[in-house]
Amino acid sequence: ETGVTQTPRHLVMGMTNKKSLKCEQHLGHNAMYWYKQSAKKPLELMFVYNFKEQTENNSVPSRFSPECPNSSHLFLHLHTLQPEDSALYLCASSQAGAPNTEAFFGQGTRLTVV
Amino acid sequence: QKEVEQDPGPLSVPEGAIVSLNCTYSNSAFQYFMWYRQYSRKGPELLMYTYSSGNKEDGRFTAQVDKSSKYISLFIRDSQPSDSATYLCAISNTGNQFYFGTGTSLTVIP
Repeated sequence: ETGVTQTPRHLVMGMTNKKSLKCEQHLGHNAMYWYKQSAKKPLELMFVYNFKEQTENNSVPSRFSPECPNSSHLFLHLHTLQPEDSALYLCASSQAGAPNTEAFFGQGTRLTVV
Repeated sequence: QKEVEQDPGPLSVPEGAIVSLNCTYSNSAFQYFMWYRQYSRKGPELLMYTYSSGNKEDGRFTAQVDKSSKYISLFIRDSQPSDSATYLCAISNTGNQFYFGTGTSLTVIP
């Protein structure tokens, strides 16, 4: 248990479905992130939130829509995805500006788009 | 040029061997250096964290940072089959931007 919890762990969805990924951090951090991890590729940063405000959107297609209602929760809303969006989606949190600045990850959601 | 370069391997060693994993980075302004271990189908788990230059030891693991060469290393002594995983290096500046290597896949053969 890393203090970052992601649900669901696995998700299979059709291209016309709408689903949401949820992330919750219990570490008191002020920054939260969504990353995409595909096979043989480095982690791709998707979105960054600092104090609930989105500070980075890494040219992510609009079929991915993040939401950060408070500093402990982060969602990723999915709609009309493509098969190439199948990947492991990782949520992370950190304390920006603090002496120890490491990021802590959740276990990820394994997404398969059919 | 990528911010962080890491040889993806795969790396295969016999049990008990010393493993050396390495990354290079491009921006000398980075101050925070991390190593993560990721088992198959799991999220990355923070293994070692180092600030600035020098060595840090934790059990069988040693993290080393050489800022003059922009080179970071992770050494695993007396490697065990349970060390088989993908190891990712990461660098950061203010704790708001993280750059990750591609990860090195390690297999320790019993």
